[in-house]
Amino acid sequence: DQQVKQNSPSLSVQEGRISILNCDYTNSMFDYFLWYKKYPAEGPTFLISISSIKDKNEDGRFTVFLNKSAKHLSLHIVPSQPGDSAVYFCAASEKGNNYQLIWGAGTKLIIKP
Amino acid sequence: EAGVAQSPRYKIIEKRQSVAFWCNPISGHATLYWYQQILGQGPKLLIQFQNNGVVDDSQLPKDRFSAERLKGVDSTLKIQPAKLEDSAVYLCASSLDRVSTEAFFGQGTRLTVV
Repeated sequence: DQQVKQNSPSLSVQEGRISILNCDYTNSMFDYFLWYKKYPAEGPTFLISISSIKDKNEDGRFTVFLNKSAKHLSLHIVPSQPGDSAVYFCAASEKGNNYQLIWGAGTKLIIKP
Repeated sequence: EAGVAQSPRYKIIEKRQSVAFWCNPISGHATLYWYQQILGQGPKLLIQFQNNGVVDDSQLPKDRFSAERLKGVDSTLKIQPAKLEDSAVYLCASSLDRVSTEAFFGQGTRLTVV
């Protein structure tokens, strides 16, 4: 039972354009959502998060949007840079489940020069 | 600030052998996690410690996996005996406390069981 789904295994975007990574979830009790970025042979690193009481959070080139009615969140990267090429994981947590992070399978983002 | 340290980086063993992984979390982080990441999937939590106590080990295959966190600092994860399906990257992470949503990850240990 996949509670967090990233349906696009990979995404290719031209440098300078907008990258949009999508994530869907099924558990309406999730109250916190996070995006992690992972380079090869390294552990994931935290990128940006959003509480379920908000619908948008912005940090520099990165913006996360949350649509609770659709159980959907997205990460926008503008403008995309070559260093953004990595695997992006969406994760969600629930206070009632020890704040355990439930992860999606990841989307590999490739930024083309 | 030093990050989460894990060793070894790579390990190849035969099935039915045993293996142990070590993790040193960020200083002052009370919560420590062990994740298993199989190729093409997201990390799956195996066990979560708060100081030296277990908060959640519901997804730990206890017949073959064990973990401990002595003195609430370093931690070891052991597999005995290993199976082919245990081939994965084992990630250790730590956070200030269990309500902190930002966890810091080590580089992981890539285990190959042949």
